[in-house]
Amino acid sequence: AQKVTQVQTEISVVEKEDVTLDCVYETRDTTYYLFWYKQPPSGELVFLIRRNSFDEQNEISGRYSWNFQKSTSSFNFTITASQVVDSAVYFCALVEYNFNKFYFGSGTKLNVKP
Amino acid sequence: NAGVTQTPKFRILKIGQSMTLQCTQDMNHNYMYWYRQDPGMGLKLIYYSVGAGITDKGEVPNGYNVSRSTTEDFPLRLELAAPSQTSVYFCASRPDQGVDEKLFFGSGTQLSVL
Repeated sequence: AQKVTQVQTEISVVEKEDVTLDCVYETRDTTYYLFWYKQPPSGELVFLIRRNSFDEQNEISGRYSWNFQKSTSSFNFTITASQVVDSAVYFCALVEYNFNKFYFGSGTKLNVKP
Repeated sequence: NAGVTQTPKFRILKIGQSMTLQCTQDMNHNYMYWYRQDPGMGLKLIYYSVGAGITDKGEVPNGYNVSRSTTEDFPLRLELAAPSQTSVYFCASRPDQGVDEKLFFGSGTQLSVL
């Protein structure tokens, strides 16, 4: 079973638009962590955020914000006033209680056009 | 800080050849991982290790072998390379739980099997 689902394979927006990337996860554990990583065209993987299952507070970091809802098993990522430099593939990931394996979604490619 | 270092960055193999992808980290992390990323896809876990001398299979281990003789090094061996192994390979490490629960990635090895 797919543990992390990112249904949006590719999104295109025009600069300054807001965009939300969806992530739905599946786990039976009560203790787990969720992550977002960014993969720019250069190919490296850049850590963006970590959230544990006991902390449902939304988080804002500059133009980035994350909405964690356990009731719907979702951990969505919003970019406000998108910029061309935001163009990248974004991955959502889950690690469960035993904390050994990280499960990644298939990624959402974001294209921000000037 | 070097972090996670992967070599080589690029490699072309002929079908049936063997090679070892090198991965080393200087952060004294016990946990290390090998992922593969097929074009336009997410990351799939090949093997992981929770410490020197301990390795375990991930989602897609067939055709690969690993060893972990030291904390620093986690080489990935491809025996009898096949076109299906054409991919970008990422090595990652993380500290023990409770320290900093995120993966630190290397810059990747792009492998083509022709």
